[in-house]
Amino acid sequence: SQTIHQWPATLVQPVGSPLSLECTVEGTSNPNLYWYRQAAGRGLQLLFYSVGIGQISSEVPQNLSASRPQDRQFILSSKKLLLSDSGFYLCAWEKGVGAEAFFGQGTRLTVV
Amino acid sequence: AQSVSQHNHHVILSEAASLELGCNYSYGGTVNLFWYVQYPGQHLQLLLKYFSGDPLVKGIKGFEAEFIKSKFSFNLRKPSVQWSDTAEYFCAVNLDGNNRLAFGKGNQVVVIP
Repeated sequence: SQTIHQWPATLVQPVGSPLSLECTVEGTSNPNLYWYRQAAGRGLQLLFYSVGIGQISSEVPQNLSASRPQDRQFILSSKKLLLSDSGFYLCAWEKGVGAEAFFGQGTRLTVV
Repeated sequence: AQSVSQHNHHVILSEAASLELGCNYSYGGTVNLFWYVQYPGQHLQLLLKYFSGDPLVKGIKGFEAEFIKSKFSFNLRKPSVQWSDTAEYFCAVNLDGNNRLAFGKGNQVVVIP
């Protein structure tokens, strides 16, 4: 069966520090991968999506970047965190257009 | 810009009342449409989806949604809600042939016993 792992679950980082959130998928190949930020009253904001290794589409200009070094690995990064980067980040995968998306447990990031 | 709109972010209703949540999108082409639900403390999970065929889609737990192409809408309905339907509901859309899966802002639904 397919599973998605996202870590860490919670993270507290100082302003200006780097960030690396990792997401891996098991039990499938060549998934479409997504990073979302979820905020109360704002729903799920799509940050990045990837249809293959090294292929990243960015949705909004921001302080974050994403990479996909392996087929089932998706990394969300920042070189210098801002206070406004605080939030709840979700990784998701699906197997093609129209397929059900499956979500990780999320990472609660607090920038202090 | 292409977008997904959900209105009335907070909905409070009593058990046995009917529920309808609106979803509108601004894509002009063929779309795939989804409703996801997030129960308190749980992951997002698929409630139902539409990508072709009968525009009235039946999902889990008695939910249904109707795709009205002329109105760019995919409203979610349940004739009689239960306390266990308390959750946040998200509409999502992707344009056929495009892997971008976009979500609306969600509806927080609270059902009072």
